[in-house]
Amino acid sequence: QQPVQSPQAVILREGEDAVINCSSSKALYSVHWYRQKHGEAPVFLMILLKGGEQKGHDKISASFNEKKQQSSLYLTASQLSYSGTYFCGTEINTGNQFYFGTGTSLTVIP
Amino acid sequence: NAGVTQTPKFRVLKTGQSMTLLCAQDMNHEYMYWYRQDPGMGLRLIHYSVGEGTTAKGEVPDGYNVSRLKKQNFLLGLESAAPSQTSVYFCASSHDLAGADTQYFGPGTRLTVL
Repeated sequence: QQPVQSPQAVILREGEDAVINCSSSKALYSVHWYRQKHGEAPVFLMILLKGGEQKGHDKISASFNEKKQQSSLYLTASQLSYSGTYFCGTEINTGNQFYFGTGTSLTVIP
Repeated sequence: NAGVTQTPKFRVLKTGQSMTLLCAQDMNHEYMYWYRQDPGMGLRLIHYSVGEGTTAKGEVPDGYNVSRLKKQNFLLGLESAAPSQTSVYFCASSHDLAGADTQYFGPGTRLTVL
C-alpha cells in the first residue's frame, strides 16, 4: 500500500534541478507532498486532487498522472533551503486509506 | 495559535513500562492522527480519529491504544513498551479527511525503549 519514491537520495549543487517520483500499485485519488528538515516535523507543500493536475509555487511544482498512478515533484534552480527529506502521501480509494512514501533525501550543496 | 503540540518531547522507557503521549491542537480540527517514523520507513499511521469520541486503526496499530475524549486532544498509549516501539512519534491534525486536506504535524516525540 505504501507508495514507492525514487530516487532514495539525491545531492545537488545550488541552481541545479531535481525530480522526485512517487508511484503506487493502487489507484490514487489524491497525492500530497511534504518536506521534512532534520529533527523537525513534516511541512505541507502541496496537494493534487485530480489526475492531470499540476501545481506549483515559487520554484517547486508537482504533477499527478492518475492513469500511471504516479506523481512527480519538480524542484528547479535549487536553493540551500530546499535540503530535507521529501515525502509523498497518497490517498488510495476514498476514505481514510492514506499512506506516506519512504521519503527522498535531498541535499543541496553550495 | 500554537498549532499542534506534543508532550513529552523525549522519553526513555524500560521494556514492559507504560506511558501516554499527549497531542493537542487548537485549530478546531475534526481529524487527528498518530504516526510513527522509523529510518527508511517513512511515516506509518498507527491510529486516527475522525471526531471526538471516535478512533480507528491505521496501518500499524498493534501494541498501541488511543483515546479522543475531547476534540482538541488525542492520546496515544503504550501499555507494555517493547524495543520495537523505539521510534519518533508524530501527531497530526486536519480539518478534512487526510486525503483531501493539509495535515498539520506536531514537533514529534522521540521514544526509546530499552
